[in-house]
Amino acid sequence: AQSVAQPEDQVNVAEGNPLTVKCTYSVSGNPYLFWYVQYPNRGLQFLLKYITGDNLVKGSYGFEAEFNKSQTSFHLKKPSALVSDSALYFCAVRDTISSGSARQLTFGSGTQLTVLP
Amino acid sequence: DTGVSQDPRHKITKRGQNVTFRCDPISEHNRLYWYRQTLGQGPEFLTYFQNEAQLEKSRLLSDRFSAERPKGSFSTLEIQRTEQGDSAMYLCASSLGEYQPQHFGDGTRLSIL
Repeated sequence: AQSVAQPEDQVNVAEGNPLTVKCTYSVSGNPYLFWYVQYPNRGLQFLLKYITGDNLVKGSYGFEAEFNKSQTSFHLKKPSALVSDSALYFCAVRDTISSGSARQLTFGSGTQLTVLP
Repeated sequence: DTGVSQDPRHKITKRGQNVTFRCDPISEHNRLYWYRQTLGQGPEFLTYFQNEAQLEKSRLLSDRFSAERPKGSFSTLEIQRTEQGDSAMYLCASSLGEYQPQHFGDGTRLSIL
């Protein structure tokens, strides 16, 4: 079975400072990994994905994520945080070798990012 | 790109009533997904369509839940005999291919009185 852990419910960072939102995963095969952002009363917006290739993935709005196979991690990063980045962030994983409904995305419980002015 | 559209945005109903939600995916997307999200949690997969075929259903989808996508375009999710535990945000997403990102609608928030 596949699973995702976001160990921090809440991350606070000052505007202009770098931010990191942590994600670790567990799959049987190779992972497909995604980051989404959710603003209040809205659906999820896609930020970036890792399927294969370069371990550093660049996405929307200046976000990037680093895939680390040995640590089974896919942390989201941004060099300089903006107040407008404040939102709920979700990591999601899909296992390449699962079958049936297990092939669908499994989401973490989310990390609330607050960027302080 | 008009995005994924869901209707209604909010639904308040009494326990035991039936409710139906609609999802209009991005027009060229052949894959459509339904998720349920409760407060403080990530979305949980409910069911998936490829064109008009419902290919996968989660164990979360009890027999009170039914979903259709009759012409491979819009989809409906019906909940019969609603229960308090059905209160949640119901999200619809669509994608162009199996490994393409899913694009989400803004959801339907269901409240059971």
